Amino acid sequence: DQQVKQNSPSLSVQEGRISILNCDYTNSMFDYFLWYKKYPAEGPTFLISISSIKDKNEDGRFTVFLNKSAKHLSLHIVPSQPGDSAVYFCAASEWEYGNKLVFGAGTILRVKS
Amino acid sequence: EAQVTQNPRYLITVTGKKLTVTCSQNMNHEYMSWYRQDPGLGLRQIYYSMNVEVTDKGDVPEGYKVSRKEKRNFPLILESPSPNQTSLYFCASSFGGSAGGHETQYFGPGTRLLVL
Repeated sequence: DQQVKQNSPSLSVQEGRISILNCDYTNSMFDYFLWYKKYPAEGPTFLISISSIKDKNEDGRFTVFLNKSAKHLSLHIVPSQPGDSAVYFCAASEWEYGNKLVFGAGTILRVKS
Repeated sequence: EAQVTQNPRYLITVTGKKLTVTCSQNMNHEYMSWYRQDPGLGLRQIYYSMNVEVTDKGDVPEGYKVSRKEKRNFPLILESPSPNQTSLYFCASSFGGSAGGHETQYFGPGTRLLVL
């Protein structure tokens, strides 16, 4: 059973608008969450993370929100740009096994110009 | 340039023919890991290594072997590849080989393997 779920396989957004990517998790021991971005023919690259002691973390156009009670996190991209078109993976880990990342299936984001 | 390199990038082979995918990092990272990416399943961990000569199974280790004789290298070995090992493979590394804590993982560019 997948512990990290990204239920939307794809998302299409107009340039300049907000992109919202969602992720749900089932393991209550997860206390650190990350988003990775992947372009075709490249490896995933780290985008942004959030610890369970926070409910929001912001880095430029990217903001991650964490709702622990709902076991849900989301990545907001504002404004969306065509270069943001990529696959976005949500990942989670426990402090005890910090290097062990559990990934979601990914969401393909297409930003149309 | 700090990076994780993998070779080969693309490989077509036949069932049963042993192969090795190399992984090397130049960041002096203690932790290294192998993942496979399959449609609808995301990235799943195959094996990981906390440091030289320390390796352990991930979530999907069947049919794979690894070794960590040097800190910078972490090859993935398929002794007898089968078609269900057709996948996209990623090597990753990070600081902090000891259990506990959170470190950002850096990924290689991937190796696309097709087993006929």
